[in-house]
Amino acid sequence: GAGVSQSPSNKVTEKGKDVELRCDPISGHTALYWYRQSLGQGLEFLIYFQGNSAPDKSGLPSDRFSAERTGGSVSTLTIQRTQQEDSAVYLCASSGTGGVEAFFGQGTRLTVV
Amino acid sequence: GENVEQHPSTLSVQEGDSAVIKCTYSDSASNYFPWYKQELGKGPQLIIDIRSNVGEKKDQRIAVTLNKTAKHFSLHITETQPEDSAVYFCAASGGTYKYIFGTGTRLKVLA
Repeated sequence: GAGVSQSPSNKVTEKGKDVELRCDPISGHTALYWYRQSLGQGLEFLIYFQGNSAPDKSGLPSDRFSAERTGGSVSTLTIQRTQQEDSAVYLCASSGTGGVEAFFGQGTRLTVV
Repeated sequence: GENVEQHPSTLSVQEGDSAVIKCTYSDSASNYFPWYKQELGKGPQLIIDIRSNVGEKKDQRIAVTLNKTAKHFSLHITETQPEDSAVYFCAASGGTYKYIFGTGTRLKVLA
């Protein structure tokens, strides 16, 4: 596609349920990032994928969070046993070889009730 | 660890005046510094960037300066317009290509 696509755009879930957030990066981009943005806050790094290299998972806040990237393209961020503090906008970005110019999707607004 | 500090957190300017947002980074390996504009309900949009081999870059009303020695970089917006109102984020990226973002500046341009 022309840009980074994220789905769903909004997700409301009950506390304790699992959720999956999807990211379709720009075609051909080898790098993919997930960030979390809490209300009125900055961007918190979660995880980074680059080609076939092992992902940088250093930003994942707990073992309830995981992400995978299949075939070097689409990525899924999974949050298990959601908590209210997980409520935030989850942003995905992708960039080409060398990590230059990252482009963001619109984000998924997650609300845990 | 890696850190990017951004100031001010909020900035109000009169339409037509200039706005300056400043960032400081900690990782000396950082070599790429993008600026993003985020409007309400949207994802951040890249507006300008600078690499470590350049001291200044300009694109119409927007300019970015970089001082590698001091590890400072700044965004300058001249002749501000109401549509410039948004949240602006600076970021730094280095050898690992992991982007570290500042905490954001909410810019309000008053008509």
